[in-house]
Amino acid sequence: GAVVSQHPSWVICKSGTSVKIECRSLDFQATTMFWYRQFPKQSLMLMATSNEGSKATYEQGVEKDKFLINHASLTLSTLTVTSAHPEDSSFYICSARSQTSGESYEQYFGPGTRLTVT
Amino acid sequence: GQNIDQPTEMTATEGAIVQINCTYQTSGFNGLFWYQQHAGEAPTFLSYNVLDGLEEKGRFSSFLSRSKGYSYLLLKELQMKDSASYLCAVMDSNYQLIWGAGTKLIIKP
Repeated sequence: GAVVSQHPSWVICKSGTSVKIECRSLDFQATTMFWYRQFPKQSLMLMATSNEGSKATYEQGVEKDKFLINHASLTLSTLTVTSAHPEDSSFYICSARSQTSGESYEQYFGPGTRLTVT
Repeated sequence: GQNIDQPTEMTATEGAIVQINCTYQTSGFNGLFWYQQHAGEAPTFLSYNVLDGLEEKGRFSSFLSRSKGYSYLLLKELQMKDSASYLCAVMDSNYQLIWGAGTKLIIKP
């Protein structure tokens, strides 16, 4: 099956620093990648949708200058949390949609990155 | 607006059967997904329904009624490892997934 990896799986950073999270589709080409955030005991919240080679589309309330997304290739998207603050501490999950998903448009999820900002 | 409703929490006994319901109101419909998510992990795909009816996959089955805006996930022969959150998600007319808040399923011995 389709595999999506994320790196790092967890990270602790100091307030005011920036953190980059990578999302890779390992065995398929992903035209579209999605970035989600999940706070404890809450559902997934879509932050942004990125298509390869174009600017990401951010959901309402998500600051595009704070959460920088780059989808430079069909197998890699990165999310950079700039000037992180403790309230940015969360579980960040990416998902990827294959060019050949066919009719299901299934999204394949990465394992997630737990960010803790101290 | 778009809305997905599912129960917050359910409890069932090991070996039994449980049905998790999901109702939705979305702008357009391009299929309904069920995902399983264990604590601290990313969601994993369980099922996809786009036509009315029942889809069976091992111990798990998913049902869809588009006219009623309703789906359920049926889990049979429950095992302790089935304790997880079950997320219902609908793909709208823009092929975006609209997520429910999830149902936490607790399995008791």
